[in-house]
Amino acid sequence: AQSVTQLGSHVSVSEGALVLLRCNYSSSVPPYLFWYVQYPNQGLQLLLKYTSAATLVKGINGFEAEFKKSETSFHLTKPSAHMSDAAEYFCAVSEGSDTNAGKSTFGDGTTLTVKP
Amino acid sequence: KAGVTQTPRYLIKTRGQQVTLSCSPISGHRSVSWYQQTPGQGLQFLFEYFSETQRNKGNFPGRFSGRQFSNSRSEMNVSTLELGDSALYLCASSIGTLNTGELFFGEGSRLTVL
Repeated sequence: AQSVTQLGSHVSVSEGALVLLRCNYSSSVPPYLFWYVQYPNQGLQLLLKYTSAATLVKGINGFEAEFKKSETSFHLTKPSAHMSDAAEYFCAVSEGSDTNAGKSTFGDGTTLTVKP
Repeated sequence: KAGVTQTPRYLIKTRGQQVTLSCSPISGHRSVSWYQQTPGQGLQFLFEYFSETQRNKGNFPGRFSGRQFSNSRSEMNVSTLELGDSALYLCASSIGTLNTGELFFGEGSRLTVL
């Protein structure tokens, strides 16, 4: 069984400040890990993914995440927040096998607010 | 390349009615998954179809069903609607083989049950 825990349902930062969104996972097999972003009244958009290659993953819009197996973590960071980053962010885990294709387990989400 | 298309975007139904939602995946994607998103339960996996066969199913009652057509388009149906079925229903597509778990989502169908 897999699970994802996102620490902090709401995070507020000032424009230009560091963004850090926390995600811890549990998986019985080597996981594939993802961060998605959702803007109001829209679907989810992939920010970045970890699929057992480099542990530091770079995504779109300046975001990156580091896979730490010893800590079972996959935290999302961005050096300098922009107003357009305000959205809800979801961490997700998948086995990545064909038999479990399409079946990702999502965290509860973190709403990011960016103050001017 | 066109993205995942879901129709309708918004709909209102009353308790006891049924509803059918449609999803057209990205061209070349053979896997279609459905998720329910609510403020209380978050994103929950409903089912996944690949080559017209249900390959995975989440923990939802039998009132929730789906199917996939030969062109990979998918529909989901909810019968005997309950107030608690009010949610954003998201469809996601993926290649389906040599899978890395990456999902491409549509914008969703927002269902309100009165």
